[in-house]
Order: sequence, then structure tokens, then C-alpha cells
Amino acid sequence: QLQLQESGPGLVKPSETLSLTCTVSGGSIRSSSYYWDWVRQSPGKGLEWIGSVYYSGSTWYNPSLKSRVSMSVGTSKNQFSLKVTSVTAADTAVYYCAGRLTVGYSPHYYWGQGTLVTVSS
Amino acid sequence: EIVLRQSPGTLSLSPGERATLSCRASQSVTSSSLAWYQQKPGQAPRLLIYGASSRATGIPDRFSGSGSGTDFTLTITRLEPEDFAVYYCQQYGSSPLTFGGGTKVEIK
Repeated sequence: QLQLQESGPGLVKPSETLSLTCTVSGGSIRSSSYYWDWVRQSPGKGLEWIGSVYYSGSTWYNPSLKSRVSMSVGTSKNQFSLKVTSVTAADTAVYYCAGRLTVGYSPHYYWGQGTLVTVSS
Repeated sequence: EIVLRQSPGTLSLSPGERATLSCRASQSVTSSSLAWYQQKPGQAPRLLIYGASSRATGIPDRFSGSGSGTDFTLTITRLEPEDFAVYYCQQYGSSPLTFGGGTKVEIK
């Protein structure tokens, strides 16, 4: 059973870059069976899919965030990461990492517990 | 982008009653790629239903999903105390993946 755990700073200053890491256990980040996703939840916008990364490094982003987001798969650890540049208060949210299967269309079967990121000076 | 609208916003019911939650999409959902999640305070969403009507592993049979195209329904036949939570629908057949705004099922 896959388990995911987010980590990273809980406070980021406006205009700076938000960086989070998700550590995967119970399976390999380099498996062809999964897409690795980030989803965020803020009071103002509910649940929002940020994007997906595949073990090969291929990425897919939500157009609403595409210009500020990058995702990558770790090279030496069972981790994947998220970066959001030029953050504002609107980026304050609980950030979840999540896993989907690569067979057909897939919902998010696996979720981390979430980490709150606050954007404030 | 497919917009999902959930109704009602809040459902006030008693344990043992039947809950019917609605999710309407702005355009047809590809291959019935519609999921329902349950979320309790301080927890991540938990997958209940995928493919519009298939229960995820370990989900009790009092939870059922139905619908196709643009109209989908989650039914909880007899509410248990642990079922009072917020429920979200999600479409995952078109990018970007999108979620509905949620329905809160609260104790009456």
C-alpha cells in the first residue's frame, strides 16, 4: 500500500518560491504504474489540481498555474517535488501530494496527509 | 475546463436517514470518469467511488454512485455517525482535472 508524506516550509514570503517534497513509501517513484500529483485546498477555491509528473520526467500542469509551477521526480530518493514561483496570499493552502494509476483514466487513490503553506511577510 | 457544481451545499440529516448528493458537469464527463471523495476535518480526501459507480476498496455498500454524461449522484442509504463529512466530486477524464465545491452532510 502506497504511503505519501509531504514536507517543506510552512511559511513563505510573498514573491518568493514555494518548494515542497513528497516522500513515497510502499512503492517506487520510478514505477510506470503511477502518476504523481499535487493538489491544493484553500478556503477560497476548494480543491485544485496543480499538476502531474511521471517517472520519466514528463509533466502536465493546470493552465491556471502553468507559468509558475514546476514538478520533478527525485533522482536518488523516492521523492517528487513541487515548486511554485512568485507566490502571493492566494497561494496559501493545504498542499497534498497524491498518486494516480496510469491504467486508463484514474482518480486519486493515494493521498498524503497534507501540509499547510502560508504566504505572508 | 469542465466545471462541476454540487448541490445542495449543505444537507442536514439524522443518523439512519438517506442522503442524496448531486454533481452536475458543464460538459459531458469522458468515459464516466467521475469520482466521489469524503473529507473529514484535518484529513485528506478519501476515495469512495470511481468510474461513477464503482466502490473503492474497503468502502461500505451503503455508499453508491450513479449517473453518466453530465449528471451524477452519490447516495448514502443509511447514514452512520462516521458519515457526517464533506463530499466532493471530481472528473478525471479531461485535463485539467477538476473538483466540485463540495456538499457538507451535517447532523440535524
